[in-house]
Amino acid sequence: DTEVTQTPKHLVMGMTNKKSLKCEQHMGHRAMYWYKQKAKKPPELMFVYSYEKLSINESVPSRFSPECPNSSLLNLHLHALQPEDSALYLCASSQGNGPNTGELFFGEGSRLTVL
Amino acid sequence: RKEVEQDPGPFNVPEGATVAFNCTYSNSASQSFFWYRQDCRKEPKLLMSVYSSGNEDGRFTAQLNRASQYISLLIRDSKLSDSATYLCVWLYGGATNKLIFGTGTLLAVQP
Repeated sequence: DTEVTQTPKHLVMGMTNKKSLKCEQHMGHRAMYWYKQKAKKPPELMFVYSYEKLSINESVPSRFSPECPNSSLLNLHLHALQPEDSALYLCASSQGNGPNTGELFFGEGSRLTVL
Repeated sequence: RKEVEQDPGPFNVPEGATVAFNCTYSNSASQSFFWYRQDCRKEPKLLMSVYSSGNEDGRFTAQLNRASQYISLLIRDSKLSDSATYLCVWLYGGATNKLIFGTGTLLAVQP
């Protein structure tokens, strides 16, 4: 079982809705990530938080708004999404520095459908 | 050119076969590489890190060739349970925590 918990597992929303995806880890990791994955494609990096500060934004549209309330939690706020935003949204965490920086622990993902 | 490229496959191999995947990268400043495995409809999981000196973990061997800018993964004595997508992952240099996934190679081990 993964130690990164994502909720909800499935979400269906209309283009005018506002919703949020949530992610939680209790491994003491200091880096947290949002990736987007479409079918038969690799995960695509969206955002990275390092020590609770946004360190990377991969030119993601502003209709996606990340938030890191504390070192264990990561949210992704969604507003005015488009149908092409339908995908699996994966949260991950890592130690954030040192030799294990490349070891990401992923949650099971939130499968988003935008109607 | 994508930063990290892989042959998408699928690689269809019989049980017991040896199979190798390559992953080429375009940024020579990249420092660290990893192989991840993703089962169908599951999250990716770290398989192994890739070191310049090469590293082995049971039936799996990973190599890094900086001169030619590729990494490789060799799987010996393939098992049915090895069927998955194998993704090479590149960590940008510096303290950026920027981990980029390659396109992935699908392996199907046949009985």
